[in-house]
Amino acid sequence: AQKVTQAQTEISVVEKEDVTLDCVYETRDTTYYLFWYKQPPSGELVFLIRRNSFDEQNEISGRYSWNFQKSTSSFNFTITASQVVDSAVYFCALSETGNDYKLSFGAGTTVTVRA
Amino acid sequence: DAGVTQSPTHLIKTRGQQVTLRCSPISGHKSVSWYQQVLGQGPQFIFQYYEKEERGRGNFPDRFSARQFPNYSSELNVNALLLGDSALYLCASSHGTLGSTIYFGEGSWLTVV
Repeated sequence: AQKVTQAQTEISVVEKEDVTLDCVYETRDTTYYLFWYKQPPSGELVFLIRRNSFDEQNEISGRYSWNFQKSTSSFNFTITASQVVDSAVYFCALSETGNDYKLSFGAGTTVTVRA
Repeated sequence: DAGVTQSPTHLIKTRGQQVTLRCSPISGHKSVSWYQQVLGQGPQFIFQYYEKEERGRGNFPDRFSARQFPNYSSELNVNALLLGDSALYLCASSHGTLGSTIYFGEGSWLTVV
């Protein structure tokens, strides 16, 4: 079964618009971690944010913010005032207690920001 | 400090050949993991090594093997290459504890023809 689902395949926006990426996860663990990574065309996965299952406080870091809701098993990510350089594939990932050595990734959402 | 470094960046191999990919983790990180990313999909876990011991293995055939050296660098070997092995191979390093941030290298693009 898919542990991480990113329902949005592609999102296209005009510069300065906000972009929200959806992520729904599935786990039986009570302790787990959620991540967002960005993958530009070069291929490198760039770490963006991490949240543990005990901290549902939503935060803002620069133009990035996230909304973690355990009740709906969702971990959504928002880019505010998007820029062309934000164009990339974004991955949501889950690290579980029982598999703490690996990340389970979603299929990714391709974000295209047009000037 | 240097990030995760991988080599080679790109390579082309013929079906049936063998390939070795190399990775150096971030200084101080004792855990190295390997992921395969086929075009259009998310990365899939292949192996993790921690303190030179295999800690986890994903659902990959025995043609895939890896090892970690005393300096924590790692090699991924793939034997008897198939066309379907064409992918981006990503190496990641971390401290190896639950919740540790996992940092990735730029990957090795493997094309099997």
